[in-house]
Amino acid sequence: GAGVSQSPRYKVAKRGQDVALRCDPISGHVSLFWYQQALGQGPEFLTYFQNEAQLDKSGLPSDRFFAERPEGSVSTLKIQRTQQEDSAVYLCASSLVGHLGELFFGEGSRLTVL
Amino acid sequence: ILNVEQSPQSLHVQEGDSTNFTCSFPSSNFYALHWYRWETAKSPEALFVMTLNGDEKKKGRISATLNTKEGYSYLYIKGSQPEDSATYLCAFIGLTGGGNKLTFGTGTQLKVEL
Repeated sequence: GAGVSQSPRYKVAKRGQDVALRCDPISGHVSLFWYQQALGQGPEFLTYFQNEAQLDKSGLPSDRFFAERPEGSVSTLKIQRTQQEDSAVYLCASSLVGHLGELFFGEGSRLTVL
Repeated sequence: ILNVEQSPQSLHVQEGDSTNFTCSFPSSNFYALHWYRWETAKSPEALFVMTLNGDEKKKGRISATLNTKEGYSYLYIKGSQPEDSATYLCAFIGLTGGGNKLTFGTGTQLKVEL
């Protein structure tokens, strides 16, 4: 596609529910990143893939968060047993050369946990 | 913990005014600085990626400067227009940590009024 596509754009989940957020990066982009933006804060790093390899997952806040990119293109961020503090906008970005060049972001998935 | 700070937090200007805002970051361990513009309901869009001390970059009416020795970058907008209304985010990458993580500031929210 022309840009980074994320779905769903909006998700409301009940506390304890599992959610899956999808990111379809720009074709040919090797690097893929997930960021979490809580209200009033800047985006915070969650995890980084180079092709299918997850090279850095140090930003994942707990073991309830899991990300994968099995074929080196589409990525899924899964959150198990959602909590209210998981409410945030989840941004996906892709790039040709990691963080050395500009990142191309999707519009984000806004998760609200009730 | 890396500290990236942006000021002011928000700014209201009149159409035609020129304006600038600041991003400060750790002066040691510098690798690169990114600037992004994020309009409401859209995806963050890269403005500049800056790596060299003394760098000045320009895109239309928007320009940025970088001082890595003192740890700050300025973003300037000349002759502000309503379409410049957005949140402007800066993000820092350090040499350690493999350059995998952008550390974002909380942004400067610009509103340009007619």
